[in-house]
Amino acid sequence: DAKTTQPNSMESNEEEPVHLPCNHSTISGTDYIHWYRQLPSQGPEYVIHGLTSNVNNRMASLAIAEDRKSSTLILHRATLRDAAVYYCILKPYGGSQGNLIFGKGTKLSVKP
Amino acid sequence: SQTIHQWPATLVQPVGSPLSLECTVEGTSNPNLYWYRQAAGRGLQLLFYSVGIGQISSEVPQNLSASRPQDRQFILSSKKLLLSDSGFYLCAWRRLRGANVLTFGAGSRLTVL
Repeated sequence: DAKTTQPNSMESNEEEPVHLPCNHSTISGTDYIHWYRQLPSQGPEYVIHGLTSNVNNRMASLAIAEDRKSSTLILHRATLRDAAVYYCILKPYGGSQGNLIFGKGTKLSVKP
Repeated sequence: SQTIHQWPATLVQPVGSPLSLECTVEGTSNPNLYWYRQAAGRGLQLLFYSVGIGQISSEVPQNLSASRPQDRQFILSSKKLLLSDSGFYLCAWRRLRGANVLTFGAGSRLTVL
C-alpha cells in the first residue's frame, strides 16, 4: 500500500480553521484518500474520503491537490471536541478485503 | 441503522489466563469484520479480518486467535495471555462491497499483569 506522511502534531485555537496536511507522493490512480480521527480512549471514526475532486461533508472538507500527491483535511471551525489524532490513509477502492493500514497520524490540540 | 458492540470495555487479567473479547454488529448482514490492537502511544495494528462465517485471516503471528461463529459475531481469544498482549482492542466492520469505510466499536482495554 502507498505510504502517507503527516506531521506528528499540530495546534489550533478554538473557532479557527484547521488545515491538516498529508503527503502521499506514491499514490496510485486507484487509491482513495481516507481520513479518520480518534478521540482519546475511543475507537477511530470515519471523517471523509475522496478520489480526485474536493469533498465536503458535515464534519470537514477534503482538498486534494491536482497531482493527487498531497491532500488537506480542513476543519472550518475547530472546537475543543475536535482534539484528536487524525489519520490519513490510502486504499484502492474495495480491494484486498479493505484492510486499512493506520499510521501514527497527527495529534491535533485545540486551545480555548 | 447499524451499530457495533464490544465487551467487556475494560479487563485486567493475570499473565497466563485466558481471554475472550466479543464483538457484535447489528443492522447489517454479511459484513467484513476486523480486530485491531493499539498499544500505548502507538498506531493501530490489524490483527485479524473475516469476510464470512468461519473465515478468518491473520495479519500477524501472535498469541491470539479469532473466530466468527455467526454472521455478525466476531470473537478474539487467547489461551494464555502475555504481558505484551496489553492494549486497546478495537473491533470494526464494513460492508462487503463498496467504499472502505470502517465503523469501529468503542474498544476493550486489556491490562495484563
